[in-house]
Amino acid sequence: AQKITQTQPGMFVQEKEAVTLDCTYDTSDQSYGLFWYKQPSSGEMIFLIYQGSYDEQNATEGRYSLNFQKARKSANLVISASQLGDSAMYFCAMREGPGNKLVFGAGTILRVKS
Amino acid sequence: ETGVTQSPTHLIKTRGQQVTLRCSSQSGHNTVSWYQQALGQGPQFIFQYYREEENGRGNFPPRFSGLQFPNYSSELNVNALELDDSALYLCASSLEPAYNEQFFGPGTRLTVL
Repeated sequence: AQKITQTQPGMFVQEKEAVTLDCTYDTSDQSYGLFWYKQPSSGEMIFLIYQGSYDEQNATEGRYSLNFQKARKSANLVISASQLGDSAMYFCAMREGPGNKLVFGAGTILRVKS
Repeated sequence: ETGVTQSPTHLIKTRGQQVTLRCSSQSGHNTVSWYQQALGQGPQFIFQYYREEENGRGNFPPRFSGLQFPNYSSELNVNALELDDSALYLCASSLEPAYNEQFFGPGTRLTVL
């Protein structure tokens, strides 16, 4: 079974608008962590934001926020005030238990239009 | 502070050959993880090295092997290359296995003909 599901293969957003990238996950662990990474065409994975399963507040990092709904097992990424440089592939990932070995979803490609 | 570096950038091999990919971890990081990313897919965890020992392995056959050196740099070796091994190979380093933040290198693009 898929542990991380990203249902949007591609998304378009107008510059300066907000966009939400969806991610649902499947785990029976109580302790887990959820990550979002950005992968530009250069290939390098850039860490954006992290949410721990016991964190009560939604994580925020600058223009990135993570909408964590534990009961629904979703961890959507919200990018506010989109910029042209946000155009890239975005991956949701999860670690289960201790350690930092990650399971990634299939990704969503985001295109920001001017 | 130097980031994670990988070499070579690109590589072309033929079926049946062997390949070695290299990764230099970020300064002070003793944990290196390797991931395989096939075209159009998310990365898949191959294995992790911590203080020169394998610290977990994903669902990859034994012809995928690795090493970590005393300076914490690492190698990924793949024997008997198959066409499906064509992918971007990413390494990531972290301070410790329990640290959430990992820093990824730019990857090595391997093409198997």
